[in-house]
Amino acid sequence: GQSLEQPSEVTAVEGAIVQINCTYQTSGFYGLSWYQQHDGGAPTFLSYNGLDGLEETGRFSSFLSRSDSYGYLLLQELQMKDSASYFCAVTMTTDSWGKLQFGAGTQVVVTP
Amino acid sequence: EPEVTQTPSHQVTQMGQEVILRCVPISNHLYFYWYRQILGQKVEFLVSFYNNEISEKSEIFDDQFSVERPDGSNFTLKIRSTKLEDSAMYFCASSGQTVNTEAFFGQGTRLTVV
Repeated sequence: GQSLEQPSEVTAVEGAIVQINCTYQTSGFYGLSWYQQHDGGAPTFLSYNGLDGLEETGRFSSFLSRSDSYGYLLLQELQMKDSASYFCAVTMTTDSWGKLQFGAGTQVVVTP
Repeated sequence: EPEVTQTPSHQVTQMGQEVILRCVPISNHLYFYWYRQILGQKVEFLVSFYNNEISEKSEIFDDQFSVERPDGSNFTLKIRSTKLEDSAMYFCASSGQTVNTEAFFGQGTRLTVV
């Protein structure tokens, strides 16, 4: 079967650092993406890893290890507006036109 | 900034009725998708569409579902005979000219079947 595992919830204070892990088992793998979703809103793209290593985009970084079928999203200098759900998503093989398979999401709660 | 737009934002329908959800993808994108999200659950892939045909669909996308690109701008999802379990947020997404790393999502249509 295919699965993506990520923690259901993480709570942290403003200014802290949060790491959201994602492990995956899929029949095809092209890359790992991260999406943010505020309540009632659309998923918004945060980052993508096609190769092993770290990608940095401002306060957010994402990491991928293909050999470990593992990635993480790192949120630094947390702000209240970062309270949202964060989904890892696998892009399947090149035959699948970028079809995304999403994890169940991690609810990040930022407290003052 | 270009965006994916969806209409309506909310749709309430009676069980057994047909609904059509509409989407206008970003104008120069070539790949279009429908996803759904049942309240409190993960986003689930329904179907992808390219070059005027379905390129892939999930097991959720059964014979009750169909997609169409009736003109150069709109992309529609039709549910022929709605069931209670079809109640969900339906997101349209599009991506660019290659197998893209980023999908752009619309704000969604909340479908409630009563």
